[in-house]
Amino acid sequence: NAGVTQTPKFRVLKTGQSMTLLCAQDMNHEYMYWYRQDPGMGLRLIHYSVGEGTTAKGEVPDGYNVSRLKKQNFLLGLESAAPSQTSVYFCASSYFYTDTQYFGPGTRLTVL
Amino acid sequence: AQSVTQLDSHVSVSEGTPVLLRCNYSSSYSPSLFWYVQHPNKGLQLLLKYTSAATLVKGINGFEAEFKKSETSFHLTKPSAHMSDAAEYFCVVSPNQAGTALIFGKGTTLSVSS
Repeated sequence: NAGVTQTPKFRVLKTGQSMTLLCAQDMNHEYMYWYRQDPGMGLRLIHYSVGEGTTAKGEVPDGYNVSRLKKQNFLLGLESAAPSQTSVYFCASSYFYTDTQYFGPGTRLTVL
Repeated sequence: AQSVTQLDSHVSVSEGTPVLLRCNYSSSYSPSLFWYVQHPNKGLQLLLKYTSAATLVKGINGFEAEFKKSETSFHLTKPSAHMSDAAEYFCVVSPNQAGTALIFGKGTTLSVSS
């Protein structure tokens, strides 16, 4: 039982490049989330999903897109990376919105 | 509107002394409250969770927190700090409404000296 996994763990992009971050969970959770963590800011929600095929915007969605084609996977895309998107990205999942969220190990992204 | 405030950005204690990390919340609804811990370069791990049952909640690694509705507080305590407790701690509130998300405090860094 791997829990929540994220790939890649590290990535360096140039401004304007695109990339996709993959989150996978094996706990059969309905809810999945993408957060970014910046120093002194805590975690801020980018997008979330309440089930396969559904997504919704969080607090800081601009510049990101997401897809949830399979229940166990939640993809975060950056179409045209900007230096302001340099951050650590965490994926999480839960059974229900009131439940404990289980977090992945994070992806450290640097945009030059 | 819901919000959470961690009153200290950094707390320093000596090994073997008590730990107190303070958290105040604001919620229009009956919230669920959490404390998560993040060790350096790691993901977040749940320490404990309050969901309107007992107001004193016991978590992992000897941590506990008390929900005080009158003070809108959910402070995290541990009787005796250990070096391995050095980490960042996040107080989190869930508004318990469909379509809403967890609201994270900005975090408290706990340093433990020998």
